[in-house]
Amino acid sequence: EAGVTQSPRYAVLQEGQAVSFWCDPISGHDTLYWYQQPRDQGPQLLVYFRDEAVIDNSQLPSDRFSAVRPKGTNSTLKIQSAKQGDTATYLCASSFDRGVSNERLFFGHGTKLSVL
Amino acid sequence: GQQVQQSPASLVLQEGENAELQCNFSTSLNSMQWFYQRPGGSLVSLFYNPSGTKHSGRLTSTTVIKERRSSLHISSSQTTDSGTYLCALEPGTGSNRLTFGKGTKFSLIP
Repeated sequence: EAGVTQSPRYAVLQEGQAVSFWCDPISGHDTLYWYQQPRDQGPQLLVYFRDEAVIDNSQLPSDRFSAVRPKGTNSTLKIQSAKQGDTATYLCASSFDRGVSNERLFFGHGTKLSVL
Repeated sequence: GQQVQQSPASLVLQEGENAELQCNFSTSLNSMQWFYQRPGGSLVSLFYNPSGTKHSGRLTSTTVIKERRSSLHISSSQTTDSGTYLCALEPGTGSNRLTFGKGTKFSLIP
């Protein structure tokens, strides 16, 4: 069974540039999460979906960040105008238990973003 | 204040020694989850532990809700155990929002 796939693995930007991250969850998983992990910190949830619906995006900086999962499968996280403070690893995770718990949560390798 | 506090921030041991990692929390808990992360790698779930003690090979997780703490014990540590260990709290509110600690960086001296 293929795991959670993310691309790209690395991204280097100048401030003000845009970037998109892509996530392919494990086939059949209904719940998909995007986490931001700054260096030497634990991951922090940005947004999560159940199927195509956004369940919680309260921690997503809505002025510059957006996330979609149009068909309830793959997802894209976009930063419109990157800032140096966005430098972090962006992790995607998925699970299949109707979002009841995080017990069977699988993470991708992440995209490491550096904003110069 | 921070809801999940993890200690120590870093730990260096000789191969073969036992390691004890702690996680203290200040909010209601549905479960505590422990993850392992290699440098530049994805997170791998080690334990999903609502309460009590769970074992997996050389690893043991213990969650004591009334004392608001969870621990991860690594016995006879090996160089392959090196990496970052993270605890994450699943709240008792029914939300799927995991709150992670900052992690413990664990290194082994051969």
